[in-house]
Amino acid sequence: GENVEQHPSTLSVQEGDSAVIKCTYSDSASNYFPWYKQELGKGPQLIIDIRSNVGEKKDQRIAVTLNKTAKHFSLHITETQPEDSAVYFCAALYSSASKIIFGSGTRLSIRP
Amino acid sequence: DTAVSQTPKYLVTQMGNDKSIKCEQNLGHDTMYWYKQDSKKFLKIMFSYNNKELIINETVPNRFSPKSPDKAHLNLHINSLELGDSAVYFCASSHGGANYGYTFGSGTRLTVV
Repeated sequence: GENVEQHPSTLSVQEGDSAVIKCTYSDSASNYFPWYKQELGKGPQLIIDIRSNVGEKKDQRIAVTLNKTAKHFSLHITETQPEDSAVYFCAALYSSASKIIFGSGTRLSIRP
Repeated sequence: DTAVSQTPKYLVTQMGNDKSIKCEQNLGHDTMYWYKQDSKKFLKIMFSYNNKELIINETVPNRFSPKSPDKAHLNLHINSLELGDSAVYFCASSHGGANYGYTFGSGTRLTVV
């Protein structure tokens, strides 16, 4: 079925440390995996995405990895800063239905 | 500013009323969506339109009816509002289907009392 599982649901890290959020998906045909950041009172914002033809992608302090065999993908944030505090959603494109299915979200808190 | 704009931002109404939420995008995208976010932050797709044509219609009560007068607008009309309809509703748009991610609006917080 159409399912994206995301862990952990909450994550608290010390400022400057790294944060990792992990997701799994169920549709082996999925080929596009975006990550969204949602700040309080705002809509989700696309921060990085990865396609199935690559295993890793970086953008400054953010990186995503994809393991197609295991159907796992992860978000890595290094040198965390207070402004990284938000809810993060992983997602997967279900090509057969032309829709993006979201994970349940991770609330990331950065401790000063 | 190029964006996805939703109105109103907040909507408080009584059970049984009918209400509408409007969405407009000036990004030149051809596909628009409605998502519902519940109190636990879970995002669930409701509808999707591509060039004014309905392409996704999830298991949503018939009380919810989307309307797309043109590819830049997608409105959501809700009849006979119920307490369980209370949520944040997000409009989003994309170009070329969902393959390039969405741009979301800032949401409409609907509270049914």
